[in-house]
Amino acid sequence: QQQVKQSPQSLIVQKGGISIINCAYENTAFDYFPWYQQFPGKGPALLIAIRPDVSEKKEGRFTISFNKSAKQFSLHIMDSQPGDSATYFCAASSPQGAQKLVFGQGTRLTINP
Amino acid sequence: EADIYQTPRYLVIGTGKKITLECSQTMGHDKMYWYQQDPGMELHLIHYSYGVNSTEKGDLSSESTVSRIRTEHFPLTLESARPSHTSQYLCASSSQEGSEAFFGQGTRLTVV
Repeated sequence: QQQVKQSPQSLIVQKGGISIINCAYENTAFDYFPWYQQFPGKGPALLIAIRPDVSEKKEGRFTISFNKSAKQFSLHIMDSQPGDSATYFCAASSPQGAQKLVFGQGTRLTINP
Repeated sequence: EADIYQTPRYLVIGTGKKITLECSQTMGHDKMYWYQQDPGMELHLIHYSYGVNSTEKGDLSSESTVSRIRTEHFPLTLESARPSHTSQYLCASSSQEGSEAFFGQGTRLTVV
């Protein structure tokens, strides 16, 4: 059972454009929603995270939008740059799940110069 | 940069061999995790630990075993490697207070 569904699987955006990746979850007990960025040959690194008490969080060019009623959250990358080309994973965790992270399937983002 | 280290980075080994993948962190984190990731695919939790002498199996069944004798060290062992074990293995840690997980660079295992 896939608890966190991520789309699209791959995404190509022109430099300067907006990249949008979406995730949907099923478990209403989830209370922590991070996004991880992974470059080839590296481990994932935390990019930005949100808790369900806010609907949006922004850090530089990266924004998480959170819709609790729809059980969806998304990552927006403004002014996308070639250096943003990587695989992005959304994830979720809950206290009941002992805060173990459940990951989405990943999105391979390519920013064309 | 997170202080969590995995060795070796790459390992090619024959079927039937016993292997141990090492993971160490210097952040004093109590929680540690092992994830399995096929190239370009999602991460699946195979083991986790909440502290010394605490180990639990994750959501994805794995023939590997782990131990947690010291806070900073969380090795993963395969008693008899098979080609089906070929994958990338990622170690992570987090503090009791926070939810952020810090990942190592991974060990890419190939069993031939």
